[in-house]
Amino acid sequence: NAGVTQTPKFRILKIGQSMTLQCTQDMNHNYMYWYRQDPGMGLKLIYYSVGAGITDKGEVPNGYNVSRSTTEDFPLRLELAAPSQTSVYFCASSPGAFGGYTFGSGTRLTVV
Amino acid sequence: AQTVTQSQPEMSVQEAETVTLSCTYDTSESDYYLFWYKQPPSRQMILVIRQEAYKQQNATENRFSVNFQKAAKSFSLKISDSQLGDAAMYFCAYRSLVNAGNNRKLIWGLGTSLAVNP
Repeated sequence: NAGVTQTPKFRILKIGQSMTLQCTQDMNHNYMYWYRQDPGMGLKLIYYSVGAGITDKGEVPNGYNVSRSTTEDFPLRLELAAPSQTSVYFCASSPGAFGGYTFGSGTRLTVV
Repeated sequence: AQTVTQSQPEMSVQEAETVTLSCTYDTSESDYYLFWYKQPPSRQMILVIRQEAYKQQNATENRFSVNFQKAAKSFSLKISDSQLGDAAMYFCAYRSLVNAGNNRKLIWGLGTSLAVNP
């Protein structure tokens, strides 16, 4: 029973590079989310999805893109990495709109 | 816009004692959900407890219980018989029942770091 699996756990990027953060859940949850967690700033929603083929922007979407081709997968794409994207990224899922989230273990990303 | 405030950046408790973490929120909505999440040093966010605002009864999960005061917009978390494994950051979060646009997110407090002393 894996829950939400995120890869990689750590990554260092150079300014201008791109990468994809992977997120997979095996609970058949319709809702999936990407958050970033900055020290002292709480969690901010980047993108979310309410089902396969449907995505929408959250509070801080600039510099990121997502896709949701299947129920299980919700990858987050960073294009042209910037130091401001240094953060811990969490993927989460929920069975419905108001259920508690199940989180992945996070990805610590450093852009240098 | 809704906000969530956790006024205690750090707390400590002796093992086996009881501790209460504070959370207040601001909203004009009458129905919503409130959550407490735990983030141990492993970084994984874990749901501790959930409360529906329309329910009068305070939610309880084993040693964790809440004191939900709707009129005061207060949602404190009580941890009884504290254990070393309870040491973590604790986050309070709010979810609107409006299921559209940017209401489709949790609004988070900044967290309380709880230390458990042996």
